[in-house]
Amino acid sequence: SQTIHQWPATLVQPVGSPLSLECTVEGTSNPNLYWYRQAAGRGLQLLFYSVGIGQISSEVPQNLSASRPQDRQFILSSKKLLLSDSGFYLCAWAPPGRGYTIYFGEGSWLTVV
Amino acid sequence: QKEVEQNSGPLSVPEGAIASLNCTYSDRVSQSFFWYRQYSGKSPELIMSIYSNGDKEDGRFTAQLNKASQYVSLLIRDSQPSDSATYLCAVINFGNEKLTFGTGTRLTIIP
Repeated sequence: SQTIHQWPATLVQPVGSPLSLECTVEGTSNPNLYWYRQAAGRGLQLLFYSVGIGQISSEVPQNLSASRPQDRQFILSSKKLLLSDSGFYLCAWAPPGRGYTIYFGEGSWLTVV
Repeated sequence: QKEVEQNSGPLSVPEGAIASLNCTYSDRVSQSFFWYRQYSGKSPELIMSIYSNGDKEDGRFTAQLNKASQYVSLLIRDSQPSDSATYLCAVINFGNEKLTFGTGTRLTIIP
């Protein structure tokens, strides 16, 4: 069966510090991978998605970036965090192809202080 | 107009009653529709998916889709306190790989 792991679960970072959130998927090959953000009391916002190694599509211009160095690894980064980057970050995966169900990891709570 | 719209609630339903959650979407080429449940502080978990017009039942849950009206709903029968959560509607079209979410409806089941 497929599983998705995301870490760290929680972190508190000062403004201007870097960020790295990591996500890996097991039990499948060539998954579609996603990063979403959910700000307090708001809906899920798609940040990045990837259909293959090195293929990253950005949905929202911001100070975040994503990379997919391996087939089942997806990384969300920032060089300098802003207060507005605080939120609940969710990695998700879907089987390769179109229109398939998306499954979420456990999420990472980021507080920028 | 938002791509996916839901009433934010809160929606309060007595235990044992039917909870009805509604969602409308703007993109007529949307092909797949999903309902996720999200407990406070947790990640969303999939409850139902529906692709064709009509009803789809899974246990106490029934999803209803009307593509002509661009409307999808979720019915929860015999509501339980454990059903108290935020329910997210999501849509995807086969033209891209992106799932678009509504802002969710907060449901509270009153014992």
